[in-house]
Amino acid sequence: KQEVTQIPAALSVPEGENLVLNCSFTDSAIYNLQWFRQDPGKGLTSLLLIQSSQREQTSGRLNASLDKSSGRSTLYIAASQPGDSATYLCAVPRTGGTSYGKLTFGQGTILTVHP
Amino acid sequence: DGGITQSPKYLFRKEGQNVTLSCEQNLNHDAMYWYRQDPGQGLRLIYYSQIVNDFQKGDIAEGYSVSREKKESFPLTVTSAQKNPTAFYLCASSLNSNQPQHFGDGTRLSIL
Repeated sequence: KQEVTQIPAALSVPEGENLVLNCSFTDSAIYNLQWFRQDPGKGLTSLLLIQSSQREQTSGRLNASLDKSSGRSTLYIAASQPGDSATYLCAVPRTGGTSYGKLTFGQGTILTVHP
Repeated sequence: DGGITQSPKYLFRKEGQNVTLSCEQNLNHDAMYWYRQDPGQGLRLIYYSQIVNDFQKGDIAEGYSVSREKKESFPLTVTSAQKNPTAFYLCASSLNSNQPQHFGDGTRLSIL
């Protein structure tokens, strides 16, 4: 059974810092990994999706990396801003049989960027 | 604009009552999903549907029911059998099981 863990559970940084969020998964037989952002009381917004054949994916100040062999992904946020404050979740799709495509989520990292 | 609409935003349930949460999408996606989110926990899959007139149980389907009579709509009913229904419910859709999932803004369900 796939398990996804995110570390740290919460992170508070001053504005302008570069930061790294971590995601680890137990079953390396994944075909992609997705990072989401969730604002309080809102749904999830997809940030980046990395295919298993890719090592990195970039969008603006965000960079996500994927190392399937070690079961890890990192989300790097450059020059953090107060507007980046949110919960960040990673998710991997399950494979095999009728589970194909269903996502397993981590518990999220709550990020606070203070001015 | 294309997207996923969940309603209502807030819902209250009385003891013994069934309530239905609405999820509509105009993205022409085949697959739709319902998740439950509890404080401090990740999302857990309740039900999913890969195509119209077909749906499958997720990890925590007990006390819930769904229907998929139209491609655009995937309503979730929280029945009286669900003893701990207080949670944030999120609906998602994707073009198919291989594509990214897009989420609605959620419905917060509470017990009166």
